[in-house]
Amino acid sequence: DTAVSQTPKYLVTQMGNDKSIKCEQNLGHDTMYWYKQDSKKFLKIMFSYNNKELIINETVPNRFSPKSPDKAHLNLHINSLELGDSAVYFCASSQGQGGREAFFGQGTRLTVV
Amino acid sequence: DAKTTQPPSMDCAEGRAANLPCNHSTISGNEYVYWYRQIHSQGPQYIIHGLKNNETNEMASLIITEDRKSSTLILPHATLRDTAVYYCIVRSSPNAGGTSYGKLTFGQGTILTVHP
Repeated sequence: DTAVSQTPKYLVTQMGNDKSIKCEQNLGHDTMYWYKQDSKKFLKIMFSYNNKELIINETVPNRFSPKSPDKAHLNLHINSLELGDSAVYFCASSQGQGGREAFFGQGTRLTVV
Repeated sequence: DAKTTQPPSMDCAEGRAANLPCNHSTISGNEYVYWYRQIHSQGPQYIIHGLKNNETNEMASLIITEDRKSSTLILPHATLRDTAVYYCIVRSSPNAGGTSYGKLTFGQGTILTVHP
């Protein structure tokens, strides 16, 4: 059983399109995150939700809009995709905002052409 | 959160202990040391964390110096599957709550290569 699952695993799309990445966790955690890993392999947090409430928003363009329909899901919608959005996006979850360990999904490799 | 410094890369022979150092000279009293690793094309994986005492679990041991300005992650018997990027992260108490305590600030990490 996958603890944190993301779909799709790969996503290739053209500039200007709108796309969504879905994330689900079956760990019963109350906090979920989105991280971005760019081509230089730097991992940076984008958003954090605790009990469906936005807690962290790290200077991410407005084109990125996270949505948490319930505690087990945190989806990422991206409007007007740009070449620079190409990266691997990781979803993660933990129990509590300062949870001891975060569990990460396998990532979604987004390529904008 | 305090900044960490790690060597960019290290090698280790299979079966030997891998000792990965981390400097965190600006760590404050309520900050923990966390270690994660990322195996190629996978999501980061939690390894271990500690405050000031040495810690051990089924994956690794964490040795923190008395002044807490540096630490060492020890993989006692490295295998080829331990080849990965290892990240040392300093962050506030897991019980502190607040608006930023949940985030992990990843640096460049150490690329550990375990060879036969």
